Amino acid sequence: DTGVSQDPRHKITKRGQNVTFRCDPISEHNRLYWYRQTLGQGPEFLTYFQNEAQLEKSRLLSDRFSAERPKGSFSTLEIQRTEQGDSAMYLCASSLEQDYGYTFGSGTRLTVV
Amino acid sequence: GENVEQHPSTLSVQEGDSAVIKCTYSDSASNYFPWYKQELGKRPQLIIDIRSNVGEKKDQRIAVTLNKTAKHFSLHITETQPEDSAVYFCAASRGSGGYNKLIFGAGTRLAVHP
Repeated sequence: DTGVSQDPRHKITKRGQNVTFRCDPISEHNRLYWYRQTLGQGPEFLTYFQNEAQLEKSRLLSDRFSAERPKGSFSTLEIQRTEQGDSAMYLCASSLEQDYGYTFGSGTRLTVV
Repeated sequence: GENVEQHPSTLSVQEGDSAVIKCTYSDSASNYFPWYKQELGKRPQLIIDIRSNVGEKKDQRIAVTLNKTAKHFSLHITETQPEDSAVYFCAASRGSGGYNKLIFGAGTRLAVHP
């Protein structure tokens, strides 16, 4: 599969637990994005990496959220002390630097109970 | 701040009719406008996009028009088919050169009835 892969596809966790999601972008893509999508809404930008550098974080990304892309390939998104309001689909996308559009992964659906 | 508004939120048409979805954006520096189709439980997929140096782009049954002066852009689907049923999102960004953060509209749920 040469698309953007995300793992896990679904995660159910209890409030207060920590969760970590993984994104594997298309191999030659140096730009990687994380978005969050709640029911009935469009995706909202969370953060962006160019290679291993995290270049922007949205104000939506509270200090309970952290993202990394240590070697400029895969990325992880961790949410600490999850809250019910964190329940959403977390989408990863990647692109080449010269591209305008990008390719989304299938997302990780998080449910906090 | 940056904002994209999308209308209507739901659209129901008969098979074979045309469908039009409209978006407005607030950031006058936006220069790239993609449209994504998202079927239930699936990833958003890019169906067509337009850059600010053109006013219209067409790909078979779908077309996008852009009015930069009014900061409006629209998606037009002709000869709709049941498989066009999905949620459609418009988005805007400042495009490459910096990075390509997309600001999405809230989506339009299109239902095409046989």
